[in-house]
Amino acid sequence: KAGVTQTPRYLIKTRGQQVTLSCSPISGHRSVSWYQQTPGQGLQFLFEYFSETQRNKGNFPGRFSGRQFSNSRSEMNVSTLELGDSALYLCASTTDSSSYEQYFGPGTRLTVT
Amino acid sequence: AQTVTQSQPEMSVQEAETVTLSCTYDTSENNYYLFWYKQPPSRQMILVIRQEAYKQQNATENRFSVNFQKAAKSFSLKISDSQLGDTAMYFCACMEYGNKLVFGAGTILRVKS
Repeated sequence: KAGVTQTPRYLIKTRGQQVTLSCSPISGHRSVSWYQQTPGQGLQFLFEYFSETQRNKGNFPGRFSGRQFSNSRSEMNVSTLELGDSALYLCASTTDSSSYEQYFGPGTRLTVT
Repeated sequence: AQTVTQSQPEMSVQEAETVTLSCTYDTSENNYYLFWYKQPPSRQMILVIRQEAYKQQNATENRFSVNFQKAAKSFSLKISDSQLGDTAMYFCACMEYGNKLVFGAGTILRVKS
C-alpha cells in the first residue's frame, strides 16, 4: 500500500498571501488529521476530518481551515499568511478502527517571508 | 486538559547499549491510547509503539518496549541494543478520542559508535 502523500513538499509564500496544502491518505483510511510543527510550539493539532466532516479542531485562528473530499483526500488552507505560520505541516491518516494508529505523511515545509 | 511531558531534551547512548526515554502525561479520561513516535532527520514521523490504557501488559515491538504505569501516569520507552539508525527525535503522545494526538516536546536521542 502506498503511504500518506503530501503536496507540495516545500513552499515559499509572502506575508498576506494564502496557501493550500494537500494530503492523500492511505487507501481505505477515512480519517485525516493535520498538525503544525514549529521549533517553538512543537507539534500541535490543527483539525481532523472523517467522512468529509470536521470532527475535531485545535486551538488555531479561523485563518486555518480545511476540508475533506469524498475520496478522503484532504486540503488545508491558511489565509492571510503571517511569519509565524512558517512551519512543517504534517497530515496523518487512520482507519478510525480501535487501533487509532496514525500514519504520517512526509510533511509540507512552508516558509513565509 | 490533556498534557504530555518529556523531561529529557537530549540523551545519548553507545551503540548496542540500552536507553530509556521518560514520559509523563495527564488526562482525566479512563480510556486513552499512548504512543511513541520517532522523527529522524528526514522529518518523517514513524510510529514506534502503541499502548492501550485498558491493557495492563506492557507493549513490546522487537527492540522497543514500554513501561506503562497507569496510576503514576508514566509511559517510558526502552530501546535495547541501540543502533545508529535509532538516532532521531522521539515524541511521546496521548490520544483520548477523535484521533487528536497531544505530543510532548520530544527527546533527541543520539546513538554513538
